[in-house]
Amino acid sequence: AQTVTQSQPEMSVQEAETVTLSCTYDTSESDYYLFWYKQPPSRQMILVIRQEAYKQQNATENRFSVNFQKAAKSFSLKISDSQLGDAAMYFCAYTGTASKLTFGTGTRLQVTL
Amino acid sequence: EPEVTQTPSHQVTQMGQEVILRCVPISNHLYFYWYRQILGQKVEFLVSFYNNEISEKSEIFDDQFSVERPDGSNFTLKIRSTKLEDSAMYFCASSERVIGGLRNTIYFGEGSWLTVV
Repeated sequence: AQTVTQSQPEMSVQEAETVTLSCTYDTSESDYYLFWYKQPPSRQMILVIRQEAYKQQNATENRFSVNFQKAAKSFSLKISDSQLGDAAMYFCAYTGTASKLTFGTGTRLQVTL
Repeated sequence: EPEVTQTPSHQVTQMGQEVILRCVPISNHLYFYWYRQILGQKVEFLVSFYNNEISEKSEIFDDQFSVERPDGSNFTLKIRSTKLEDSAMYFCASSERVIGGLRNTIYFGEGSWLTVV
């Protein structure tokens, strides 16, 4: 079974600074997808960024980028120029042939002035 | 942008009562899901649904749960005889499996917060 591990329960970053959230996963599949979802206080699940395992190039979406290390099974999220609106719970998630998502336990990101 | 919509946003029910949570997935999507998040915990998979039948379900999805697609647009989760521990946020989600492109991206609704008292 696939597992997703987020080892940082909480992180803090100053506004305009950069922060990296860690995620590791375990799988025996070769074709899969990895995601970062943001959950603000409203509790809505918002897709932040997506990475296909067959792509070597790291995904980027504006201020959000990932560092995907397939051999190490690592998938970290970098948030540049942090904004107050980035404060939320961030979940790393995996999907493979089963199509369902397996989530990590989340990292609560606090953004300070 | 197309989105998954869920109703109700919040429901309070008495223990033992039946609850139906409703969802309208994105119109061209083929896979539908229910996930659950107990307060303060991670999001857990309940069930996936494809071609009018359950394709996968978790251990959580026992006999008290059922899903249905009664018409071409709605996707419902029914909880029979609710228990206190069923209190959680329930997320509906959908995805479109195509070759390449946005294959396997799962889009979530805003959730239905169920409180069992």
